[in-house]
Amino acid sequence: AQSVTQLDSHVSVSEGTPVLLRCNYSSSYSPSLFWYVQHPNKGLQLLLKYTSAATLVKGINGFEAEFKKSETSFHLTKPSAHMSDAAEYFCVVSEAAGKSTFGDGTTLTVKP
Amino acid sequence: DSGVTQTPKHLITATGQRVTLRCSPRSGDLSVYWYQQSLDQGLQFLIQYYNGEERAKGNILERFSAQQFPDLHSELNLSSLELGDSALYFCASSRTGGHTDTQYFGPGTRLTVL
Repeated sequence: AQSVTQLDSHVSVSEGTPVLLRCNYSSSYSPSLFWYVQHPNKGLQLLLKYTSAATLVKGINGFEAEFKKSETSFHLTKPSAHMSDAAEYFCVVSEAAGKSTFGDGTTLTVKP
Repeated sequence: DSGVTQTPKHLITATGQRVTLRCSPRSGDLSVYWYQQSLDQGLQFLIQYYNGEERAKGNILERFSAQQFPDLHSELNLSSLELGDSALYFCASSRTGGHTDTQYFGPGTRLTVL
């Protein structure tokens, strides 16, 4: 069975400082992993995904994530936060068609 | 704009009623997913269709049903509504429905049950 744990429900950073959103997963197979972002009252948008190619994945808006099998982690990072990054972020694990499990989400606050 | 459309945007109804939510996938996408997002339960996968056939089922209540039509649009039917069904309902679509697919989400339908 697959599962995903987002280790922080809330993260607060200052504008211009690095962002780290942590995600651990559990899977019996070789999963695909995704990060989605949801701005208030909007649908989810893909930031990046890992599908067994390069372990360092670059996404939109300067975000990247590294797949670490030994640590079963897929943490999301960005070198410098922008006010527009304030949103909710979801880590997703998928090991079979139709079997996507979403984390509980991390709310990112960016202070000016 | 993801290319996925959902109607209506908002729906207010009473307990015991039945509603239908509609979703049109992105052009070329064959698979449609339905999700429920609420404050207490987070984002829950309900059901997936691929080219008109049910492919996977998640935490979908028996009072809820869905289908995907030949033109690939999908409808989610919610009946005997309860207060706890108030939530944001998202539709997503993907090219093939496989586990490596990116899912493209619609803007959601906010259902309020009074």
